[in-house]
Amino acid sequence: AQSVTQLDSQVPVFEEAPVELRCNYSSSVSVYLFWYVQYPNQGLQLLLKYLSGSTLVESINGFEAEFNKSQTSFHLRKPSVHISDTAEYFCAVSDQRDDKIIFGKGTRLHILP
Amino acid sequence: EAQVTQNPRYLITVTGKKLTVTCSQNMNHEYMSWYRQDPGLGLRQIYYSMNVEVTDKGDVPEGYKVSRKEKRNFPLILESPSPNQTSLYFCASSTRGRTDTQYFGPGTRLTVL
Repeated sequence: AQSVTQLDSQVPVFEEAPVELRCNYSSSVSVYLFWYVQYPNQGLQLLLKYLSGSTLVESINGFEAEFNKSQTSFHLRKPSVHISDTAEYFCAVSDQRDDKIIFGKGTRLHILP
Repeated sequence: EAQVTQNPRYLITVTGKKLTVTCSQNMNHEYMSWYRQDPGLGLRQIYYSMNVEVTDKGDVPEGYKVSRKEKRNFPLILESPSPNQTSLYFCASSTRGRTDTQYFGPGTRLTVL
């Protein structure tokens, strides 16, 4: 079965500094990968997704993620974070075997002033 | 406005008292699912449904039931709630399923005493 590992439960970073949130997955077939963001006291919203094609995907608010098949990773990056990026970020995976969607345990991003 | 609604938003109940959490979407989505969110465990899929009368177990289905009699509604039923079902529950829907953006409801915070 597929699985997702988010290596960091919390990541503190100074405002305007770069950040990388790590995500590794496990699956023996082709995968579909997602990053969702959960702002405080809200539901989850899609940030970006990889289905096929270009391995680098971008969101409208400056985040990007790169699908790396050899390392089974889909790390999320932003070159300069803002206080409004304070949230919990979830990596998710699905694959061709069934219609389950597996989420990681989440990474809480703390922006330090 | 396109949305997923859940009711109630907050519920405190006692062990063994049957309850239903409703979920409704107005986007004509085929795929609907339920998740529970617990600290340190992320989101875990309880059940999902590809279409009317088609439901499948997610990773943590024990103690829960679902039904999909209409396309827009996907209620979550706890026949005999127990304290370990105290959690934050999210309903989500998407156009077709595993490759599509999941649209999440606002969440239902359930406490079982």
